[in-house]
Amino acid sequence: QSALTQPASVSGSPGQSITISCTGTSSDVGDDNYVSWYQQHPGKAPKLMIYDVVNRPSGVSNRFSGFKSGNTASLTISGLQAEDEADYYCSSYTSSTTWVFGGGTKLTVL
Amino acid sequence: QVQLVESGGGLVKPGGSLRLSCAASGFTFSDSYMSWIRQAPGKGLEWVSYISSGPSYTNYADSVKGRFTISRDDAKNSLYLQMNSLRAEDTAVYYCARRFTAGRYNFYGMDVWGQGTTVTVSS
Repeated sequence: QSALTQPASVSGSPGQSITISCTGTSSDVGDDNYVSWYQQHPGKAPKLMIYDVVNRPSGVSNRFSGFKSGNTASLTISGLQAEDEADYYCSSYTSSTTWVFGGGTKLTVL
Repeated sequence: QVQLVESGGGLVKPGGSLRLSCAASGFTFSDSYMSWIRQAPGKGLEWVSYISSGPSYTNYADSVKGRFTISRDDAKNSLYLQMNSLRAEDTAVYYCARRFTAGRYNFYGMDVWGQGTTVTVSS
């Protein structure tokens, strides 16, 4: 049950786009459409932003999009806004019927 | 509204036990797969355990297997986590979360989270 690999930090200016990667294995990220993404502001509970690799729950801005190629998934945020500054976590269901999270990425909006 | 509220956290000595509860409201709890996820101070999220709906299937992270037990009481709309043989490294905020479901399809994501309850293991 090794954690998925994410960059520790990314940054971008308002209006720009950023992409956060999430690398796993063929037993989790690469196995099926198992990937989800969460946004967490300090002191708050995580919020689901993307499920099943590419789908947005109702109410989540279309500035957030997901993608996957092989064992690596990614989250792209376009038109960066100040309120996007937060920690972002990827997660995947696994072939062992467990779940695993990435280490988290701190997004700074410059 | 759809809500999860955790309780039961606190300060416990190493080797001690604690039982966390998660009260669900605003949705059909009995149809929902539920998980516990924790977050150590200043660290990332760590999945702990989940329980399916119906004839409950459970699974655990290796770090808690044999020490923690997840259970549910659908009549009380409640989820539980019995934590035994607690260690300092179990210190964390514990969240309960619902697996995103639409109709009879269970998606891969957790769409409802509680506010968390804090567990501190220290002598």
